[in-house]
Amino acid sequence: GPKVLQIPSHQIIDMGQMVTLNCDPVSNHLYFYWYKQILGQQMEFLVNFYNGKVMEKSKLFKDQFSVERPDGSYFTLKIQPTALEDSAVYFCASSSSAETLYFGSGTRLTVL
Amino acid sequence: GQQVQQSPASLVLQEGENAELQCNFSSTATRLQWFYQRPGGSLVSLLSNPSGTKHTGRLTSTTVTKERRGSLHISSSQITDSGTYLCAMESGGSNYKLTFGKGTLLTVTP
Repeated sequence: GPKVLQIPSHQIIDMGQMVTLNCDPVSNHLYFYWYKQILGQQMEFLVNFYNGKVMEKSKLFKDQFSVERPDGSYFTLKIQPTALEDSAVYFCASSSSAETLYFGSGTRLTVL
Repeated sequence: GQQVQQSPASLVLQEGENAELQCNFSSTATRLQWFYQRPGGSLVSLLSNPSGTKHTGRLTSTTVTKERRGSLHISSSQITDSGTYLCAMESGGSNYKLTFGKGTLLTVTP
């Protein structure tokens, strides 16, 4: 089936540094999402993105977060600067019509 | 805010037994979606169901929207069914934002 790729699967960075999480969505999809899952807790919505714009963001989407998809390439989540509480697995998802969301395998972010 | 409660939190079955997973949600949902989360973390979409009953393979999803509940029935469970099953609700006008439950951890033993 369609695949959403997230690279790398694990990133370790020092608190205060910038990090960019990359997502390669399904090629003809138009809707893009980021979700965050802290270890042992439920998946939580961060943001969705359509037609070059953020459609909706949650309270978890702090000012230090930003998303973009320049020229139809990777859909990225940038955190600058990072904080310890940003440690989590970040899942990217994409959809053509929102009938079905396709999720990537996640990037585990560890902030030291 | 919106909440999704799943029960049981964990379930242990012997191979061949049936599983019934429950999902209750706090506000009106336009659709329930069920996902399977592998032990490594990746998610697979299983069923998307606005209301009524939907089948695929050994899975049956039932959603009763006005009662704010849904269920996922797994028949003849197999060892490879082991993992976490997540229920997620989508609300009207939500730009397809999903609110997830904490999941049911299913373990199927030989």
